[in-house]
Amino acid sequence: DVKVTQSSRYLVKRTGEKVFLECVQDMDHENMFWYRQDPGLGLRLIYFSYDVKMKEKGDIPEGYSVSREKKERFSLILESASTNQTSMYLCASTSGGSTDTQYFGPGTRLTVL
Amino acid sequence: DQQVKQNSPSLSVQEGRISILNCDYTNSMFDYFLWYKKYPAEGPTFLISISSIKDKNEDGRFTVFLNKSAKHLSLHIVPSQPGDSAVYFCAATGGGSEKLVFGKGTKLTVNP
Repeated sequence: DVKVTQSSRYLVKRTGEKVFLECVQDMDHENMFWYRQDPGLGLRLIYFSYDVKMKEKGDIPEGYSVSREKKERFSLILESASTNQTSMYLCASTSGGSTDTQYFGPGTRLTVL
Repeated sequence: DQQVKQNSPSLSVQEGRISILNCDYTNSMFDYFLWYKKYPAEGPTFLISISSIKDKNEDGRFTVFLNKSAKHLSLHIVPSQPGDSAVYFCAATGGGSEKLVFGKGTKLTVNP
């Protein structure tokens, strides 16, 4: 079974803090994604990576950066957290292109106070 | 500009009856469509997909229908079960994109 794990299920941070969200997959997948899920807005793509050290902006990259130093690990960084970044963050990975199944982690519920 | 639209935020059906979840898209480049299901406090899981070369795909109780001329797809669940209660996301891709575009989701509640 493919497993995608996220470092925290729940996280509370203060405005202005630097926040790291970690995602690890164990299936040697090439592509990894970060989404955020908000009520009434669905899943929105923040960033994705199709190889180590490669990254592409998604639909809402502002206020975020990413890092992929190893194939299995994809990190989402909030340089200076703001209250409008309070959300559910979901990591996903897939072995191939967009028609291949994306496997999601359990999510991190981030609250920024 | 919302390329994938799920216009019903919620749907409630009785156990044993049919659930029909709808999805519309605007981008003509989309040629592959997927449905994901999400329970609270869990990540979405893949449910079923359909390529634009087909108009129907079936997997057990789940069937997806695609009407390309109307840019519309629907997910049918028959018979519905209480365990089907979840948020269902429609997603689309195509034109060589590596990304999925998701709709806003429909919350399905199946009442016993």
